[in-house]
Amino acid sequence: GQNIDQPTEMTATEGAIVQINCTYQTSGFNGLFWYQQHAGEAPTFLSYNVLDGLEEKGRFSSFLSRSKGYSYLLLKELQMKDSASYLCAVRPGYSTLTFGKGTMLLVSP
Amino acid sequence: EAGVTQSPTHLIKTRGQQVTLRCSPISGHTSVYWYQQALGLGLQFLLWYDEGEERNRGNFPPRFSGRQFPNYSSELNVNALELEDSALYLCASSLAEGDSYFNEKLFFGSGTQLSVL
Repeated sequence: GQNIDQPTEMTATEGAIVQINCTYQTSGFNGLFWYQQHAGEAPTFLSYNVLDGLEEKGRFSSFLSRSKGYSYLLLKELQMKDSASYLCAVRPGYSTLTFGKGTMLLVSP
Repeated sequence: EAGVTQSPTHLIKTRGQQVTLRCSPISGHTSVYWYQQALGLGLQFLLWYDEGEERNRGNFPPRFSGRQFPNYSSELNVNALELEDSALYLCASSLAEGDSYFNEKLFFGSGTQLSVL
């Protein structure tokens, strides 16, 4: 079976740094994705990792450790507009994405 | 370029009724995915269509079905609606071409909010 865990909620302050963790246990691994979903809107792609290490893209970075079944999404210089749900998803094999339940991030002034 | 479009945006049905949801993928995308997003449960995979064929199916009962048309648009049908079918139904599309498949990201529509009373 597939199991993806991430915290339900996190809070942070504008301008701060926040790290959202994701652990996974899947039958096969062909990449890990992070999506952002604002309330009432479509999820939008943030990052993709398939090899170990850190991928940086502006204020957002994503890290992967395949041996530990672990990833995190790092958000720097938080802005109010970053308040959203962050979805961790794994592609187990030649199959579709399996999503975690998402982490609701609330950024306060 | 138009994104993934879904219709209708909202729908209210009663238990036992049937519903059809529609999705138009991004131009050039051949794969369409359907996900259910119920409160507190995250995105649950329903169905994957590519080139008109059903490629994979999630752990849902047979009353959830669908199809993909020659123009790659898709329909999701739900028969005998139950209260727990109330959810946001998201459609996504992607290019699914050979070796590039694994890093292919999904582009989502804004979904259809289904309420079953």
